[in-house]
Amino acid sequence: AQTVTQSQPEMSVQEAETVTLSCTYDTSESDYYLFWYKQPPSRQMILVIRQEAYKQQNATENRFSVNFQKAAKSFSLKISDSQLGDAAMYFCGFNTDKLIFGTGTRLQVFP
Amino acid sequence: ETGVTQTPRHLVMGMTNKKSLKCEQHLGHNAMYWYKQSAKKPLELMFVYSLEERVENNSVPSRFSPECPNSSHLFLHLHTLQPEDSALYLCASSQVSGREQFFGPGTRLTVL
Repeated sequence: AQTVTQSQPEMSVQEAETVTLSCTYDTSESDYYLFWYKQPPSRQMILVIRQEAYKQQNATENRFSVNFQKAAKSFSLKISDSQLGDAAMYFCGFNTDKLIFGTGTRLQVFP
Repeated sequence: ETGVTQTPRHLVMGMTNKKSLKCEQHLGHNAMYWYKQSAKKPLELMFVYSLEERVENNSVPSRFSPECPNSSHLFLHLHTLQPEDSALYLCASSQVSGREQFFGPGTRLTVL
């Protein structure tokens, strides 16, 4: 079975600090993409960052970076210099022939 | 407009009503998806259309009926829904060969 586990239902961080959201997944496929999506209270799911499984180099998008450990099937998201606008639900997922999501982590950012 | 749009944003309906949700994508994609998002559950894939043909139906009850008249538009027709169908319904699109999906803002559906 293909599954995604986000073990942290809620996380909080102080503005300007760094936070890491964890994600583990399970698949028998070797070719897949991994994603982090953000869903703010406005509800629109926005792609934050993506990683191709065949690439060893960790993806980075401005303040967002991932720690991809393929053997451990781990795909954590690090948010540096957190901002109030980062407050949202964050969903980890991977895509082989369809997109599988975790249950999400709610991130609160305190001023 | 750009991206993926959905209308209406909010819908309240009785169990005997018939309504439709609309999704439109302006990204030149050729695959479209309907998802259901309920509290504390992972997103549930309901339907997939690829090149305007339905390729997946994840055992969704027949009271949900999708329609994809062209690659830019996707509808979800609703009839005789149940209160447990209340949820956020998200539309997404992608290239058939792509792995990245782009989502619309969703329709918040409440069934009374």
